[in-house]
Amino acid sequence: NAGVTQTPKFQVLKTGQSMTLQCAQDMNHNSMYWYRQDPGMGLRLIYYSASEGTTDKGEVPNGYNVSRLNKREFSLRLESAAPSQTSVYFCASSVLGAVGQPQHFGDGTRLSIL
Amino acid sequence: EDKVVQSPLSLVVHEGDTVTLNCSYEVTNFRSLLWYKQEKKAPTFLFMLTSSGIEKKSGRLSSILDKKELFSILNITATQTGDSAIYLCAVEANFGNEKLTFGTGTRLTIIP
Repeated sequence: NAGVTQTPKFQVLKTGQSMTLQCAQDMNHNSMYWYRQDPGMGLRLIYYSASEGTTDKGEVPNGYNVSRLNKREFSLRLESAAPSQTSVYFCASSVLGAVGQPQHFGDGTRLSIL
Repeated sequence: EDKVVQSPLSLVVHEGDTVTLNCSYEVTNFRSLLWYKQEKKAPTFLFMLTSSGIEKKSGRLSSILDKKELFSILNITATQTGDSAIYLCAVEANFGNEKLTFGTGTRLTIIP
C-alpha cells in the first residue's frame, strides 16, 4: 500500500551541482505534480503532468526540468542547484477528471543547497 | 491570479477547546476546495467541498463552503494533542488539469 513514493528523503548539495528527485505512484493515476514548500509560502506548484507524455509549467518552474517517464514515474531535475532552491519538495498524483478525487502526496524530499 | 488566504496563521489552544480555521479564495473557474492536514510529512486529505452550504463531517472535524462569499471554515471540536498540525486549504480550478492553489496554512498547536 505504498501510494506515492519519493526518493531520496534528504539531500545536501553544493551550489552548481545537479540532482534528480524521483517520484513513483502505484495508484494508476493519470496526473502527477511537483510542489515546493517553503516557510510562510505554502505549497507552490513547480510542474505538473496531466497525463503520460505531457508536462506543463506551474507557478515556479524556473531552474527545474521534469520528465514523465511513464504513467507511474515523474522526476524533477535541478540542473544547477542554487541556495534559493533549498526547500521541501512534494510529489503528488491524482485521477484526472474524476470528481471528488483529491491529490495524494508523498512524504517529501528535504533538499538543502549550500 | 488565483489566491487563497488562510487565517489565523497560527493558533494555540488547550485540549478540549473548539477551533475554527478560515480560508478565503479568489479563483477563476472554481471547481472545488480541499482541506489537508500536515503533520511531519505528507499532507493528508481531509475534505473536498464543491457545493455551498453542505457540511462535510468526519468525527470531530467538519467543514462548510460558502461559494457566494468565497470562503470555507474548518471546525475541530473537543481538540486533542493529535490535532496539532498545519492545516492547508487549497482550491482547484480549471477543470481538466486539476491544478491546486494552496494557502500558507494555519499552524494549530494543542496544549495538554
